[in-house]
Amino acid sequence: EVQLVESGGGLVQPGRSLRLSCTGSGFTFSDSGLSWVRQAPGKGLEWVGFIRNKAYGGTTEYAASAKGRFTISRDDSESIAYLQMNSLKTEDTALYYCIRTSLYNYGSRSYYTLDYWGQGTLVTVSS
Amino acid sequence: DIQMTQSPSSLSASVGDRVTVTCRTSQTVSSYLNWYQQKPGKAPNLLIYAASNLQTGVPSRFSGSGFGTDFTLTISSLQPEDFATYYCQQTYSTVFTFGPGTKVDIK
Repeated sequence: EVQLVESGGGLVQPGRSLRLSCTGSGFTFSDSGLSWVRQAPGKGLEWVGFIRNKAYGGTTEYAASAKGRFTISRDDSESIAYLQMNSLKTEDTALYYCIRTSLYNYGSRSYYTLDYWGQGTLVTVSS
Repeated sequence: DIQMTQSPSSLSASVGDRVTVTCRTSQTVSSYLNWYQQKPGKAPNLLIYAASNLQTGVPSRFSGSGFGTDFTLTISSLQPEDFATYYCQQTYSTVFTFGPGTKVDIK
């Protein structure tokens, strides 16, 4: 069974840093991309960023709101992905989800899909 | 970044109704459009990928269509477990934006 478990959330003051972890099991972690998506209380989904698997260079992409402050990395030997968040703002308060991001083939194309989601870890930025 | 809109933002419907949700993108995303369902207090769940392909295990009453900038999610006969919020997402660009969501609740 595919599982993703996030950890590391909590209460943090504005301007401080926090690192979230995402541990995967039940699938070949190193073959998978990983995305982070957040959801502020009572709001919609906001895509934060994505890290490709090593076969695709392990490169990262970020939303404008995350670029320059957040960094996604991965340790395939431990099946863990990380979201390092620096210079946190009150508007970063949200439930942060880690999601397996897979390429699905259809016709002659491949499509990224967020196919397995963790249950999320809550980050609260407040003084 | 590609902007996403969904309409309506919410709707009320009865069990057995046919429900249609629309997603529009600010520029073409070809068929790189996914749909997700989120129930209260739960993580989202992938319903449809590549605009029209049903994810394994998703009931056939769900269907998706569209290409380019205009997409539709249809529930042919609404069931009690379908009351939820639905989000579209484009993966055409390297920034995977979500739509604002459509909440489907009980009339």
